[in-house]
This record gives sequence, C-alpha cells and structure tokens, in this order.
Amino acid sequence: KTQVEQSPQSLVVRQGENCVLQCNYSVTPDNHLRWFKQDTGKGLVSLTVLVDQKDKTSNGRYSATLDKDAKHSTLHITATLLDDTATYICVVGDRGSALGRLHFGAGTQLIVIP
Amino acid sequence: EAAVTQSPRNKVTVTGGNVTLSCRQTNSHNYMYWYRQDTGHGLRLIHYSYGAGNLQIGDVPDGYKATRTTQEDFFLLLELASPSQTSLYFCASKDYNNQAPLFGEGTRLSVL
Repeated sequence: KTQVEQSPQSLVVRQGENCVLQCNYSVTPDNHLRWFKQDTGKGLVSLTVLVDQKDKTSNGRYSATLDKDAKHSTLHITATLLDDTATYICVVGDRGSALGRLHFGAGTQLIVIP
Repeated sequence: EAAVTQSPRNKVTVTGGNVTLSCRQTNSHNYMYWYRQDTGHGLRLIHYSYGAGNLQIGDVPDGYKATRTTQEDFFLLLELASPSQTSLYFCASKDYNNQAPLFGEGTRLSVL
C-alpha cells in the first residue's frame, strides 16, 4: 500500500507563476519530511527538511509546510523559472537516524513553459 | 566534494544475463543504499548496508544480491536478469545523523 501520495501527478505552469505541490502520507511514526528535486536523468537533490509537529521552512523561492496532525505537507515554488522543470519528490523518514526507513512518493512532474 | 558515483550510467543486457552495478562514495558515510525507480512508484529499497561486510535486505530484494566490499564501494548484482528488472537504479549514501542522503546520478538498465 502506498504510504506517501503526491498530487498533482503533473503540472504545467508559465514562467513567473507560482505553484503548490501536495503530499499526504500515512507513515507512522513520521520523524521528518523532506522534499527532493530530481532533474530529468539525474539523482535526487534535497531542497528542504521539515521536522516539527507544525513546521515551515524557506529556501529561496521554495517554501514548505508540514502538519503532522494532518500528515500533510506542501511545497510552494514562487516566480517559477524554466530550470524549475523537474520531478519533485516527497519523502517521509520514520526515524531521526540512518536506522530509519525513507518512504518515497512517486513525485509531481512540474513543467515550466515560457 | 561529497559525491556518489555510479557506473555504468547505462546498461543493456539480455534475459538471463549477469549484471553488476557499481557505486562508490567519497563521503566517509557508513550507510549505503540501492533503490530502483519505476514510473508511478516512489523509489523502492532493494538492499542497504551499515558498513563494509554488512548487508541488509530491503523491501524488494528478490532477484538481487549486493556486496559492500569497502566503506566506499557497494555493488548490486543481478545474476539472472529478467525484463521485470528493467529500471532506473539509484545508489545513495548517508551518515548516521538526520542529514539528507546523497544520491548518485543513476544507472538505467534495460533487460531485453
């Protein structure tokens, strides 16, 4: 059973627009949640990590929220650029160390057009 | 600079073939992982290791063996490759703490 669901599956936006990606999960325990960016044909690169019960982070044009009560996270990208075209993957870690398992979503494919 | 290097980047083999995927990390990380990525699925854990000589079974281990020869090197072995193993394979390394794992660039394997 899929424990991390991402929506939408794919999204097309115009350069300069904002977008919001969603992640719902059922992983228990949920120690932390991380968002990764995966460029086509490349590995995953970490964008941000959320840890607290209700957490917010900001990393340049990327901002994210986490609500552990709702088991829900969002990734906001403001003023999108063509280079933001990628797959964004939500990952939930069930422990705070490498002994824990990472649970991966299938990703949201974002396409930014001129 | 921290790095995870996978080789080869692309591999084509036939059903029943013998394939070895290599991964080397220069991060002094204890933990290394092999994942496969398929369309519509999140990354799925095949095997992982806590250190040289250690091997742990992941969530989708059938048809795969792995060996960690040194702290730096982790190999994934497909001794009788099948078309269902056509996939994009990622290696990752991680330290014990809560830092993000570092991923390689992936190996695309096609089994005909």
